[in-house]
Amino acid sequence: NAGVTQTPKFQVLKTGQSMTLQCAQDMNHEYMSWYRQDPGMGLRLIHYSVGAGITDQGEVPNGYNVSRSTTEDFPLRLLSAAPSQTSVYFCASTNRGGVNTEAFFGQGTRLTVV
Amino acid sequence: KNEVEQSPQNLTAQEGEFITINCSYSVGISALHWLQQHPGGGIVSLFMLSSGKKKHGRLIATINIQEKHSSLHITASHPRDSAVYICAVSEGGSEKLVFGKGMKLTVNP
Repeated sequence: NAGVTQTPKFQVLKTGQSMTLQCAQDMNHEYMSWYRQDPGMGLRLIHYSVGAGITDQGEVPNGYNVSRSTTEDFPLRLLSAAPSQTSVYFCASTNRGGVNTEAFFGQGTRLTVV
Repeated sequence: KNEVEQSPQNLTAQEGEFITINCSYSVGISALHWLQQHPGGGIVSLFMLSSGKKKHGRLIATINIQEKHSSLHITASHPRDSAVYICAVSEGGSEKLVFGKGMKLTVNP
C-alpha cells in the first residue's frame, strides 16, 4: 500500500496564481483532511471531508477550496495565492474514530508565495 | 475546543540520555497520538493511546486519563532521534485531531 500520496513536494507561486495540491489514499478511509504548518504553531485544520461528496471547513479555510468526488482523492485548491499562504501543507487520512483513530500523513508540500 | 500543551518546547540532550516529553490536554479525549517529524520530512505516527502504556523499541508512551496527561519517553537516545515530536488528541469518537505545537529534540553525539 502506498498510504497517503501528496504532490508536489515543493512549489513556488507568484501572488495571484492558483494551484492544486493533490492528495490520494489507498486505504479506503472516509475521513481526510488538510493542514497547514507554520513556525511556532501546531498544525491547523484547513478543510476536511467525512466521505465522498462531503466537505467542511476547518479552522483556517479562507483562500482554499476542496472537493471530494471519490473516496481516494482530496485535492486542495489555492484560488489566488497570497504570501500569507506560504507554509507547509499536509494531507492526512484517518480511519474510524474513537479509540481506534489512527492518522496517516502525506509527505508534505512546502509552498512559497512570492 | 481542546487545548493541547507540550513541554518542553525545545530540548537538547546528549546521546544515551533518557528523555521525557510531556503533553497535557484540557478536555476528555478518546485517543492521544504521538507523532514524529524529522527536519524537512513528513509526519509519522509513533503511538496511538487511549489508556495505559505502549512500548516500541526504545520508545515508551504513557497516558493518565484522569490527569489529562501523556508522556513520551526515549531510552538510550541517539542522534537519529533528533526530530520534532507532536502530540495530538481526538475527542469523543470524532476523527478530528487537535495538535500541540510540537517539541524540537536535538540529540548530540
